Amino acid sequence: DVKVTQSSRYLVKRTGEKVFLECVQDMDHENMFWYRQDPGLGLRLIYFSYDVKMKEKGDIPEGYSVSREKKERFSLILESASTNQTSMYLCASRGVYTGELFFGEGSRLTVL
Amino acid sequence: AQSVTQPDIHITVSEGASLELRCNYSYGATPYLFWYVQSPGQGLQLLLKYFSGDTLVQGIKGFEAEFKRSQSSFNLRKPSVHWSDAAEYFCAGPNAGNNRKLIWGLGTSLAVNP
Repeated sequence: DVKVTQSSRYLVKRTGEKVFLECVQDMDHENMFWYRQDPGLGLRLIYFSYDVKMKEKGDIPEGYSVSREKKERFSLILESASTNQTSMYLCASRGVYTGELFFGEGSRLTVL
Repeated sequence: AQSVTQPDIHITVSEGASLELRCNYSYGATPYLFWYVQSPGQGLQLLLKYFSGDTLVQGIKGFEAEFKRSQSSFNLRKPSVHWSDAAEYFCAGPNAGNNRKLIWGLGTSLAVNP
């Protein structure tokens, strides 16, 4: 069974802290994605990666960075967390030849 | 500009009633389209997908969807809704500007009355 695992389901951080959200997939997929989900705004793409060490900005990259040192792992980094980054963060992966995305369970981040 | 639109933000149905959730897309070529479901506090799970061929697609949990090019629609249906179907439903389609990405509808929240 395919699996995308996000390291933390719930996090509470303080303003200004550096936050790491980790995502691991076991499907040998080339493409990985980070979305944030807010009520009424649907899914918004933050960053995606189409290969190791390769990344591309999504629709809302400001305040975020990413890292992909290994094919199976894609990390989202908030260099200095702010309250407006309180959200649900969803990681997904996708193979080159498969159309659909496979999602993790999500990480709900609260920034105080 | 291309888009995926889910006209209904929220729908309430009675258990056992039929369901249709609407999805409209704009895309120049033949699209590939998806329906996902999200239970509260969870990630998204694929219900079904359309790539080509038969326009009536069967999915998991008893759902089906029909691709209608003339109406630019890909509506999700279920003949008899169960209380466990209460969730958020998302439609997604291709991004012509970058085929690695998808375009998402804003979702339809489904409530089921007992």
